[in-house]
Amino acid sequence: ELKVEQNPLFLSMQEGKNYTIYCNYSTTSDRLYWYRQDPGKSLESLFVLLSNGAVKQEGRLMASLDTKARLSTLHITAAVHDLSATYFCADKDSGGYQKVTFGTGTKLQVIP
Amino acid sequence: EPEVTQTPSHQVTQMGQEVILRCVPISNHLYFYWYRQILGQKVEFLVSFYNNEISEKSEIFDDQFSVERPDGSNFTLKIRSTKLEDSAMYFCASSVGTTWHFGDGTRLSIL
Repeated sequence: ELKVEQNPLFLSMQEGKNYTIYCNYSTTSDRLYWYRQDPGKSLESLFVLLSNGAVKQEGRLMASLDTKARLSTLHITAAVHDLSATYFCADKDSGGYQKVTFGTGTKLQVIP
Repeated sequence: EPEVTQTPSHQVTQMGQEVILRCVPISNHLYFYWYRQILGQKVEFLVSFYNNEISEKSEIFDDQFSVERPDGSNFTLKIRSTKLEDSAMYFCASSVGTTWHFGDGTRLSIL
């Protein structure tokens, strides 16, 4: 069974600092998604990573995928308060099923 | 941009009652899903649906749950006899290829 783990679970950081969220998954992956969730809201798609070495960037967020290490990272550069949210990675394993399995989530709080 | 719509946004139900959550997936998407999120926890897979039948379901999706696509546009999740622990946010999603869209969710509160 596919397991997806994130760390840290909680992250409090000051504005202007850099930090990385890690997402480890347990089986061969087909693709890896990152989502943002604000409190009480839906899941906003940030990135989809399709192959080993894939890197995508949007604003202060950059995601990467290392399929050999079964690891994806979400790097935050010069954090701002508006980035405060919970971030989830979600993995689709390379088997025939289409579902994605969500990680445990990382609650990010950016302190002004 | 196309979106997945869910109704109602909030449903309050007495324990033991039946509840139906409704979703309209994106029209050209092929796969449909229900996920749930208990408050403050991770998003859990319930069921996937393809070609008018269940393609996969989780251990959570027991005999109390059922899904249906009654008319080619709506996709419903029925919980026959609700329990307190069914209180959660339920998200519908649809996908085609690598593209996924989630609805805004239905908050289900069981009293």
